[in-house]
Amino acid sequence: DIVMTQSPDSLAVSLGERATINCESSQSVLQSSQNKYCLAWYQQKPGQPPKLLIYWASTRESGVPDRFSGSGSGTTFSLTISSLQAEDVAVYYCHQYYNLPHTFGQGTKLEI
Amino acid sequence: QVQLQQSGPGLVKPSQTLSLTCAISGDSVSGNSVTWNWIRQSPSRGLEWLGRTYYRSKWYSDYAVSVKSRITINADTSNNQFSLQLDSVTPEDTAVYYCTRQKGAFDIWGQGTLVTVSS
Repeated sequence: DIVMTQSPDSLAVSLGERATINCESSQSVLQSSQNKYCLAWYQQKPGQPPKLLIYWASTRESGVPDRFSGSGSGTTFSLTISSLQAEDVAVYYCHQYYNLPHTFGQGTKLEI
Repeated sequence: QVQLQQSGPGLVKPSQTLSLTCAISGDSVSGNSVTWNWIRQSPSRGLEWLGRTYYRSKWYSDYAVSVKSRITINADTSNNQFSLQLDSVTPEDTAVYYCTRQKGAFDIWGQGTLVTVSS
């Protein structure tokens, strides 16, 4: 199984400041045929299911604010929120869909 | 837009079978570019993928090794839904269960069902 490790486990950022969450995969998640990384980011608020933010490591899902961006290559990826808003308080997860079983990071709790 | 609506009991006795259904609107369970998945979430296990079903000229299913001997995921084309059956449950199966669509990543999620295994 591919192990996904996020850092940090929790993060406190001031409103308007930048937040960066990291995710490392235990092996490559590069889909060679499309030259894309099978890496997604989700946001989860209390009592709600996870919401897809980013897929293919850097493609923003429709409707997601452009302050959210994804980057990375190899086995190291990042989710960046450029200017933190109050509504961004949540737990964030990375997920690899390169192979089965699908696996997720342990989550990063983002607070203000 | 695509929506998933989950239904099923929130309390199951130990050794019995957990059964949940996920009704699909706005897409087809037989669609050939998507898969239909079940994921659960608990404080001890985090987000855990359980399995999937999908149609590519015929039906396929894949399951997580941790539950492979106890799980069945089926599609019901007549009602455009899919289901989860988990046999011989124990308190360790207590979790919030989600159905999801995979189109690349998991882009559509059901509302979640808290299933408690207790006598």
